[in-house]
Amino acid sequence: GAGVSQSPSNKVTEKGKDVELRCDPISGHTALYWYRQSLGQGLEFLIYFQGNSAPDKSGLPSDRFSAERTGGSVSTLTIQRTQQEDSAVYLCARGTGGGGSYNEQFFGPGTRLTVL
Amino acid sequence: RKEVEQDPGPFNVPEGATVAFNCTYSNSASQSFFWYRQDCRKEPKLLMSVYSSGNEDGRFTAQLNRASQYISLLIRDSKLSDSATYLCVVSTGTGRRALTFGSGTRLQVQP
Repeated sequence: GAGVSQSPSNKVTEKGKDVELRCDPISGHTALYWYRQSLGQGLEFLIYFQGNSAPDKSGLPSDRFSAERTGGSVSTLTIQRTQQEDSAVYLCARGTGGGGSYNEQFFGPGTRLTVL
Repeated sequence: RKEVEQDPGPFNVPEGATVAFNCTYSNSASQSFFWYRQDCRKEPKLLMSVYSSGNEDGRFTAQLNRASQYISLLIRDSKLSDSATYLCVVSTGTGRRALTFGSGTRLQVQP
């Protein structure tokens, strides 16, 4: 695989509930990204981690969205007070990172979130 | 205007055909260029990185024209298994290292 696991694979929740999505990349990759893909839409960037810090959070759509990463490994994306428009596939990617301009990214299988 | 634009297709081609996809990007600061492939209800998978000199990987050839901000992908001798959506992807590289995706071009290879 791509060396990234995500859980759960599917999550159905009710509007207004909080959800946590987990990403677990294989060790040794300091760069980690979250994206989402809504039905019929392209992939949109949410947040980028380098180690445990997030130098780019510009894609988070509202303050209901937050993410953290601990130990330079596992990351959790939290969505508070979910809305129906949050329904999407949430994808995590590990980056080859480091210096240089090429930053190939490899995606996990995603979490399909459905907000009823 | 979208940052990365692609013809959505679908491209319906017979097995063995050669098919070409084009893509344009608007950010002249883009430094990294890729083609990803996405099968239905699956995650995107890196098909190939695209370098300034152009590059080839088996039946796949990618070209980059920085002056025209244009990227292409050529698939020769199409196989049924090539049926998928092909995503043109760019990144500004340093600083904001996020990938920007086109909406994808759907390819259907028919027997």
